[in-house]
Amino acid sequence: DGGITQSPKYLFRKEGQNVTLSCEQNLNHDAMYWYRQDPGQGLRLIYYSQIVNDFQKGDIAEGYSVSREKKESFPLTVTSAQKNPTAFYLCASSIGLGVIYEQYFGPGTRLTVT
Amino acid sequence: GQQLNQSPQSMFIQEGEDVSMNCTSSSIFNTWLWYKQDPGEGPVLLIALYKAGELTSNGRLTAQFGITRKDSFLNISASIPSDVGIYFCAGPQGGSEKLVFGKGTKLTVNP
Repeated sequence: DGGITQSPKYLFRKEGQNVTLSCEQNLNHDAMYWYRQDPGQGLRLIYYSQIVNDFQKGDIAEGYSVSREKKESFPLTVTSAQKNPTAFYLCASSIGLGVIYEQYFGPGTRLTVT
Repeated sequence: GQQLNQSPQSMFIQEGEDVSMNCTSSSIFNTWLWYKQDPGEGPVLLIALYKAGELTSNGRLTAQFGITRKDSFLNISASIPSDVGIYFCAGPQGGSEKLVFGKGTKLTVNP
């Protein structure tokens, strides 16, 4: 079955540590996205990538970094510079043709930093 | 930037009732997407609308692309307990592949 996997489901870290969230897709989609969701809020875009080895900042990129070395993978690193890292993180992908905007989401990773 | 306003913010209904919610913007959108998110899970795409005036159904769900292209509506008929969740609308920002999301309508269905 095609889909998007995110691991782990729950992640706990101490303040000051960097942490990397995994996102893998086997939908053969070109575009991938990372969102952050806080309670009672919509989804806010952190980073997105339309093609391998290229990515752009979204609305709240500060304190985060990404890489796109393979089409299937788009890991997100939450650095110690992110002031409020505790949140629900969602990865998504889309075909990326520029006329079809449907994005498909993974199950999410809940990160708690204490 | 473009914003999407969803209303109502929350709804409490009895099982079997019909539900209506909407999404509005001050900007024109060429695509409207409706998602449902269960607690602790990722959003699932319900319906995609690509043409002004379009009416599309998915089971008990029906969504419409407003004629002005500044709004969209989602209706759920004969609600059941598993309809509980948060419903988001979304649309592409300025023709790019980035989506802007509304803040969601939280639906509670009482058995």
